Amino acid sequence: GNSVTQMEGPVTLSEEAFLTINCTYTATGYPSLFWYVQYPGEGLQLLLKATKADDKGSNKGFEATYRKETTSFHLEKGSVQVSDSAVYFCALSGQGAQKLVFGQGTRLTINP
Amino acid sequence: DAGITQSPRHKVTETGTPVTLRCHQTENHRYMYWYRQDPGHGLRLIHYSYGVKDTDKGEVSDGYSVSRSKTEDFLLTLESATSSQTSVYFCAISESMQANYGYTFGSGTRLTVV
Repeated sequence: GNSVTQMEGPVTLSEEAFLTINCTYTATGYPSLFWYVQYPGEGLQLLLKATKADDKGSNKGFEATYRKETTSFHLEKGSVQVSDSAVYFCALSGQGAQKLVFGQGTRLTINP
Repeated sequence: DAGITQSPRHKVTETGTPVTLRCHQTENHRYMYWYRQDPGHGLRLIHYSYGVKDTDKGEVSDGYSVSRSKTEDFLLTLESATSSQTSVYFCAISESMQANYGYTFGSGTRLTVV
């Protein structure tokens, strides 16, 4: 079945550091890929998405590129801020409009 | 989140008691979902609904039931709560079965079973 694997957390960085959170997936066909973010005490919010190979999703300075050859969708940001502290979830929906499958989440803490 | 509310926000209950969580939406979306969030597991789908009175099981449905008698309300019932059901429960809605339209999540219900 479909699955998502994220890098183990927690991740702690200093403000203005470069961020990478790794995400790899297993799925048949051509899934759609997502990053969701959960701020403390809140529900999940869609951060960005990509629906086909080589697409780049971007939002709020975050980017992720759909790499079918490596089955990856790594999240990156060039200069993080304290306000980026949150839990980040990678997710996929299988080809044919299937429901979302989530990774285990990565907790990110940015120190000033 | 605007358009979707969960109640209660927090609940402590005893083992063996029934518990019902409510998800209410004002968006008139057809699809509604219940997930549970646990450390190391991310979010796992419990049940979902694709219309009034139309529901189906997710990957962790044992011990849970759902009902949807109106478009706006999706209820999750723990028939007889167990400590393994201590978790944070999230409701989500979507206007399309196509997940790439994006889900909107509620703020969650933190349930503790003692």
